[in-house]
Amino acid sequence: AQSVSQHNHHVILSEAASLELGCNYSYGGTVNLFWYVQYPGQHLQLLLKYFSGDPLVKGIKGFEAEFIKSKFSFNLRKPSVQWSDTAEYFCAVSTGGGNKLTFGTGTQLKVEL
Amino acid sequence: DADVTQTPRNRITKTGKRIMLECSQTKGHDRMYWYRQDPGLGLQLIYYSFDVKDINKGEISDGYSVSRQAQAKFSLSLESAIPNQTALYFCATSDSGVRETQYFGPGTRLLVL
Repeated sequence: AQSVSQHNHHVILSEAASLELGCNYSYGGTVNLFWYVQYPGQHLQLLLKYFSGDPLVKGIKGFEAEFIKSKFSFNLRKPSVQWSDTAEYFCAVSTGGGNKLTFGTGTQLKVEL
Repeated sequence: DADVTQTPRNRITKTGKRIMLECSQTKGHDRMYWYRQDPGLGLQLIYYSFDVKDINKGEISDGYSVSRQAQAKFSLSLESAIPNQTALYFCATSDSGVRETQYFGPGTRLLVL
């Protein structure tokens, strides 16, 4: 079974700082990759997704992620964070069999003014 | 996402009580899922259903049961609630392809005393 690791559990940044959140998965076959965001008190929303093609994926709100197959990674990036990006970020993976998602444990991002 | 609704949004119950959490969707999706979210653990899959007649256990199904009453409705029951079932519960839906995105409801916060 696949697993997903998010090594940064809590990240604190100042506004305008650059962000990179790590995500690694363990599965040798074809994967679909997702980043979801959960703002305080809200449900999960899709930030971006990768199925195939260009490994650099752009999502909403200026976020992007790069799929590096050789490293089993799908790191999330944003060049300049805003206070409103304060949220919890989840990486998730599905494989070919029925698109069940396996989630990482999440990274809590706090952006300070 | 307003297309996926969950009731109730908050619930307090006592140990041993039976409770039901309901999920409805207007997206026309065949697949529906129930997850629980615990701090520091991410989301874990409880049950999933690929259509009305196809229901499957997820990672943590013990103590839970589900009912898919219609394509649009998927209920989660706790037959005899216990305190460690205190969590945030999310319903999600997706279409039936291999590369489909899951869309989440607003969540039900459950407290078992």
